[in-house]
Amino acid sequence: DTGVSQNPRHKITKRGQNVTFRCDPISEHNRLYWYRQTLGQGPEFLTYFQNEAQLEKSRLLSDRFSAERPKGSFSTLEIQRTEQGDSAMYLCASSLQGGWETQYFGPGTRLLVL
Amino acid sequence: QKEVEQDPGPLSVPEGAIVSLNCTYSNSAFQYFMWYRQYSRKGPELLMYTYSSGNKEDGRFTAQVDKSSKYISLFIRDSQPSDSATYLCAMKGNQGGKLIFGQGTELSVKP
Repeated sequence: DTGVSQNPRHKITKRGQNVTFRCDPISEHNRLYWYRQTLGQGPEFLTYFQNEAQLEKSRLLSDRFSAERPKGSFSTLEIQRTEQGDSAMYLCASSLQGGWETQYFGPGTRLLVL
Repeated sequence: QKEVEQDPGPLSVPEGAIVSLNCTYSNSAFQYFMWYRQYSRKGPELLMYTYSSGNKEDGRFTAQVDKSSKYISLFIRDSQPSDSATYLCAMKGNQGGKLIFGQGTELSVKP
């Protein structure tokens, strides 16, 4: 399978714990995006990388959130001191910069904070 | 007011019906318009992609963009039960790649 992969697919944690999610993009794609989707809503942009550089961060991305993309390959999204409001589906997408720049989404990581 | 508005439905139609899904937007900088389909507990899957105004057809699906009215539509002809999903409109400008999504419309096609 050469699509976008995300791990874990599901995560249940207690409030106050830290969690980390991983995204592996399509190999030749240089852009990688993180979105958050809550029940009954469309995905909301969090941040994106071009190669290893983080080019934009949403105001939704509080200080408790940090994302990295070392060496411009896979990316991790860490949430520190989780809150119940962090419960959502975290989606990763990748694209090749330029032209239509179609974003291909992974299956998402579903987080539940108890 | 959200940048992109989409009726969340749910929308229920009989098999074979023509389905019309719509979004309105407020940001005139949007140039690229997309429709994604999302099955329950899955990631969004790209269906249609149009640039600026006009129509685009792909099989049973037709996407329309009216930039003067800031209105986009997706039509599904001869709808099938397998079309049952949430349909998300998304759009972006020329600067940067982030997508702005609508709320999504939940569609159910009954056999």
